[in-house]
Amino acid sequence: GENVEQHPSTLSVQEGDSAVIKCTYSDSASNYFPWYKQELGKRPQLIIDIRSNVGEKKDQRIAVTLNKTAKHFSLHITETQPEDSAVYFCAASIEDNDMRFGAGTRLTVKP
Amino acid sequence: NAGVTQTPKFQVLKTGQSMTLQCAQDMNHNSMYWYRQDPGMGLRLIYYSASEGTTDKGEVPNGYNVSRLNKREFSLRLESAAPSQTSVYFCASSLGQGGETQYFGPGTRLLVL
Repeated sequence: GENVEQHPSTLSVQEGDSAVIKCTYSDSASNYFPWYKQELGKRPQLIIDIRSNVGEKKDQRIAVTLNKTAKHFSLHITETQPEDSAVYFCAASIEDNDMRFGAGTRLTVKP
Repeated sequence: NAGVTQTPKFQVLKTGQSMTLQCAQDMNHNSMYWYRQDPGMGLRLIYYSASEGTTDKGEVPNGYNVSRLNKREFSLRLESAAPSQTSVYFCASSLGQGGETQYFGPGTRLLVL
């Protein structure tokens, strides 16, 4: 089955700096790559996703890039704010069934 | 529109006891999922149901059973709980037409003593 690895496990940045989280996947058939944000004690919520026919997608301060050849994808957050502090999960799946998640990255944005 | 709801919110069981976690969605979604979340391990898929009447195993199905009762409801049963099943359980749903957002419920925190 699919295996997703996520790095780093923790990330601390100063407010206003950029944050980058990287994930790799093993199954070349995977074609859907969402990113979820989970605040403490809350449910995961989708923040952005990308499909295999697209190399990059942006939504305001958040962007995701996908390299199908290397089987890796990354989340970029610019101009970070304290409210960006949370755990971020990447995931990969064929369509949206049997989705496999990375272990998560705890992002801390220091004011 | 409540989205995805789960009951109970918190449960304590003794080893060997059984229980059923309930999940319901009111978004007319076709697909539903059960995940467990453990510290440092992210979310792991237990079972999913791509459509009413079908269920499939995910990454960690051992020790669990599921029932897709109807389009709205998807339950997870622990027949004989073990301490290793102590976890937070999330139910999720999606439209199920491929590459769709999964919407998560609030979670059930389960402690098995």
